[in-house]
Amino acid sequence: GAGVSQSPSNKVTEKGKDVELRCDPISGHTALYWYRQSLGQGLEFLIYFQGNSAPDKSGLPSDRFSAERTGGSVSTLTIQRTQQEDSAVYLCASSLLGELFFGEGSRLTVL
Amino acid sequence: GNSVTQMEGPVTLSEEAFLTINCTYTATGYPSLFWYVQYPGEGLQLLLKATKADDKGSNKGFEATYRKETTSFHLEKGSVQVSDSAVYFCALSEGNSGNTPLVFGKGTRLSVIA
Repeated sequence: GAGVSQSPSNKVTEKGKDVELRCDPISGHTALYWYRQSLGQGLEFLIYFQGNSAPDKSGLPSDRFSAERTGGSVSTLTIQRTQQEDSAVYLCASSLLGELFFGEGSRLTVL
Repeated sequence: GNSVTQMEGPVTLSEEAFLTINCTYTATGYPSLFWYVQYPGEGLQLLLKATKADDKGSNKGFEATYRKETTSFHLEKGSVQVSDSAVYFCALSEGNSGNTPLVFGKGTRLSVIA
């Protein structure tokens, strides 16, 4: 597609379950970013990929969070044993020359 | 560390009013500065940017000038429209690779009423 695609767009899960969020970046974009958008908290940086490697994982809030990127393209953000405070919109962006292009996000609700 | 502080919203204006959304930053080097906009139901998109001191970014009638002396990048528009209703995010990026993660402010919600 022409833009960054994220799935699912909405996910409701029970506390303690694992969830996977997927990001399909713009073709050819080498950099990929995950952010979390919570009400009143702005955009919180989680992790950044350059190609398949992650030079900056500093924003992952706990070891329950992990992400991978394969083939320099699709990325998956996995949250294990979800907690209610994980409820947020998870945004993915990709870039080639510095300008970030965002997807519409995956809204996660943990009951 | 690097940080961005922008005025808290919500901001409510009448159509054709003048808009200012304040943004100040803290950075160790010489960052690039950005304004992103998130329209209802859509993803964030770049509105404008400036890469060095005294640069002015402009787009869709919005302007922001990179002021190093005051570490500011305030967003302005002379006459807002209902279609400008959105959440506006100020952001900075350090590094020369062009792919350094952005640091965002908390966002300012703007509502323009007819």
